[in-house]
Amino acid sequence: EPEVTQTPSHQVTQMGQEVILRCVPISNHLYFYWYRQILGQKVEFLVSFYNNEISEKSEIFDDQFSVERPDGSNFTLKIRSTKLEDSAMYFCATTRSLMRAYNEQFFGPGTRLTVL
Amino acid sequence: GQQVMQIPQYQHVQEGEDFTTYCNSSTTLSNIQWYKQRPGGHPVFLIQLVKSGEVKKQKRLTFQFGEAKKNSSLHITATQTTDVGTYFCAGPNNNNDMRFGAGTRLTVKP
Repeated sequence: EPEVTQTPSHQVTQMGQEVILRCVPISNHLYFYWYRQILGQKVEFLVSFYNNEISEKSEIFDDQFSVERPDGSNFTLKIRSTKLEDSAMYFCATTRSLMRAYNEQFFGPGTRLTVL
Repeated sequence: GQQVMQIPQYQHVQEGEDFTTYCNSSTTLSNIQWYKQRPGGHPVFLIQLVKSGEVKKQKRLTFQFGEAKKNSSLHITATQTTDVGTYFCAGPNNNNDMRFGAGTRLTVKP
């Protein structure tokens, strides 16, 4: 069964450094998402992406965050200057069609980001 | 913005006992989804409810959508250790992006 993949599984970085988290969506899916989950807490929406544009972003997704799909395959989340509070699990998710509210989201295994 | 509130935050049960988690929205939802996240894992889609008053069953799991489409519940009958995890509800906001509840973490004592 097709699945969303994410790399790396764990990223450790120093505060102030840039990180890029990578996701390979399921091939025929159209909507892509990034979520954040601080340890033991809820799954928080960061951004949705469709047709190479941001569809919506949350208040968490400030100027330090950016997303792109540089090669038509990878879907990346970049954090320009990491802060301690960026430490969390980051999940990529995709949905099949434009009726995204009615489609299940397929989540990747996540990247655990640790900022020291 | 639209939020779904979920209670309880934690539930610890003895194996064989029942478990229920509740999800409430201040606004009418077009649909609601339920996900399960095993410890150390990622959320996995369980089910979607769309119709007012809808009830769906998956083996020991029963999902309900309220008549006003503002609340939902997940009930597990006779819990097993394999039911351990966090159960999230999710509802769409005005932009049709799903917003997750805080989740209910279920632990089951054998």
